[in-house]
Amino acid sequence: GQQLNQSPQSMFIQEGEDVSMNCTSSSIFNTWLWYKQDPGEGPVLLIALYKAGELTSNGRLTAQFGITRKDSFLNISASIPSDVGIYFCAGRDSGGGADGLTFGKGTHLIIQP
Amino acid sequence: EPEVTQTPSHQVTQMGQEVILRCVPISNHLYFYWYRQILGQKVEFLVSFYNNEISEKSEIFDDQFSVERPDGSNFTLKIRSTKLEDSAMYFCASRGQGLGELFFGEGSRLTVL
Repeated sequence: GQQLNQSPQSMFIQEGEDVSMNCTSSSIFNTWLWYKQDPGEGPVLLIALYKAGELTSNGRLTAQFGITRKDSFLNISASIPSDVGIYFCAGRDSGGGADGLTFGKGTHLIIQP
Repeated sequence: EPEVTQTPSHQVTQMGQEVILRCVPISNHLYFYWYRQILGQKVEFLVSFYNNEISEKSEIFDDQFSVERPDGSNFTLKIRSTKLEDSAMYFCASRGQGLGELFFGEGSRLTVL
């Protein structure tokens, strides 16, 4: 099946710093989604991307769908304490009519006071 | 704002018992999903459901699992004879026609003893 490599696995940053994380896939995707998950809760959708090269912002968050369709990144600018959580990339394979999303292993964001 | 709701939030069961997890997807959505997340791990696709039938399932979704949409609002996941390794958070998700975004519920935590 599809493999998604998400990095970094965790990030320890100071409040106010910018954050960048990315995902790469072993196959071409037609959809990239970025989710945030707080402890004990379900993933919450942050940004959805549908076209290669697409760059989309949601407040302080910016994500891009890579030109090769095999990667995506998420940037968070000027981090604040409520940004703490686990960020997951998720993608949908473009071939075979696959409908289920493949998730990355997550990036655990920790903000040090 | 419409949301996916799941019950129960937590279920503890003995190994070998049957469990039914319930979900009410967003009302005008047509595609329904179950995912699971073992503690500390990534979110894994189990099954997708459209037009009253399974459209895709993963290798995790074996004969012990089944899904049903018994009426116009509920979407259930049944585990026929639970095993210890079924302990996980189970997330229901739904999406609308033509849209790629999945919206997740808060999850049902299953603990098998």
